[in-house]
Amino acid sequence: DTAVSQTPKYLVTQMGNDKSIKCEQNLGHDTMYWYKQDSKKFLKIMFSYNNKELIINETVPNRFSPKSPDKAHLNLHINSLELGDSAVYFCASSQDAGPSKLFFGSGTQLSVL
Amino acid sequence: SQQGEEDPQALSIQEGENATMNCSYKTSINNLQWYRQNSGRGLVHLILIRSNEREKHSGRLRVTLDTSKKSSSLLITASRAADTASYFCATASGYSTLTFGKGTMLLVSP
Repeated sequence: DTAVSQTPKYLVTQMGNDKSIKCEQNLGHDTMYWYKQDSKKFLKIMFSYNNKELIINETVPNRFSPKSPDKAHLNLHINSLELGDSAVYFCASSQDAGPSKLFFGSGTQLSVL
Repeated sequence: SQQGEEDPQALSIQEGENATMNCSYKTSINNLQWYRQNSGRGLVHLILIRSNEREKHSGRLRVTLDTSKKSSSLLITASRAADTASYFCATASGYSTLTFGKGTMLLVSP
């Protein structure tokens, strides 16, 4: 049983398109995150939700919109994709919103052509 | 920013040798964590050390924390080819979320 699962694993699309990445966790955790990992492996937080409420929103273009229908799901929708959006996007969860250990999904490699 | 910085960026050793990676950070922390990332996979939590702890062990892993120097080290003893991965330190201060460093890429050759 995968604890944090995200789909799709690979996403190749043209500039200007809109795409979504889905994430689900079955750990019963309260907090979920989206991280972006660039080509140099630098991992940067984008968003954090605690019990469906947005608690962290780093400096991310408003083309990125997270949605949490319930505390087990956190989806990421990206409008008007740009070349610079190409990266690996990781979903993660933790028991609470504090500095707890994170459980990561396997990542979605987004390539914008 | 209290982002951790790992050193070295890359490390290549033979199976059976020990691997040491270091992490430095800038501000006071609540805890420091180490993660491993295999190629094409998500990060996996290895160990968490709190600010009032100095050393922690888990199997072949040994983590030390020196809050006066704002640094931590991860030692992997008797390394195996399967330890080949990138290793990240992550820090958190107060009740904030984790901030990751850029990682150390470890290559263990048979």
